[in-house]
Amino acid sequence: DSGVTQTPKHLITATGQRVTLRCSPRSGDLSVYWYQQSLDQGLQFLIQYYNGEERAKGNILERFSAQQFPDLHSELNLSSLELGDSALYFCASSAQQGSYNEQFFGPGTRLTVL
Amino acid sequence: SQKIEQNSEALNIQEGKTATLTCNYTNYSPAYLQWYRQDPGRGPVFLLLIRENEKEKRKERLKVTFDTTLKQSLFHITASQPADSATYLCFSSGGYNKLIFGAGTRLAVHP
Repeated sequence: DSGVTQTPKHLITATGQRVTLRCSPRSGDLSVYWYQQSLDQGLQFLIQYYNGEERAKGNILERFSAQQFPDLHSELNLSSLELGDSALYFCASSAQQGSYNEQFFGPGTRLTVL
Repeated sequence: SQKIEQNSEALNIQEGKTATLTCNYTNYSPAYLQWYRQDPGRGPVFLLLIRENEKEKRKERLKVTFDTTLKQSLFHITASQPADSATYLCFSSGGYNKLIFGAGTRLAVHP
């Protein structure tokens, strides 16, 4: 158990809908990362927050947004969902902001868009 | 653009042998490389980090090398066991906003 929690575990929704994925980092970790993993793409970095501020942004679509709250939990919002958004979404946390630091991954949220 | 490439073909080896996995990077010079293990349907788990000025790093049965001339890192598992069967991912930062995972190599250790 990495100490990172993600909810929900599974999410099934329809195209055009909006969903919110939630992540609680390990106790004491200030950095949260979001990744998307689909079968043909591998793990793709979406965005990183550090202590409530956006730190780095990867190939995150404009339909996706995220935030980190004062209690350090983070939410990833996906809107106008398309079939291609079906994937495993992982959250990871680390103690500091540099990507050099070991990342602890949550169990993931499996999103299915029908 | 910066890339990390790993052999997409699965590596099948016999129990007790040494498994060697390759990570090649192109179009940049990472300051470090990390290796993670991922089991099906689960999040990756950190294994080792090696910095660009380190030739080799060891942890129990694991060994990682970093060759900046060849632009390559090798990940070795000695005395492999069936429990080592998993996908192994290489990771680095290509600079600001650029966190890169390789696609991973699936290792299958047969009894």
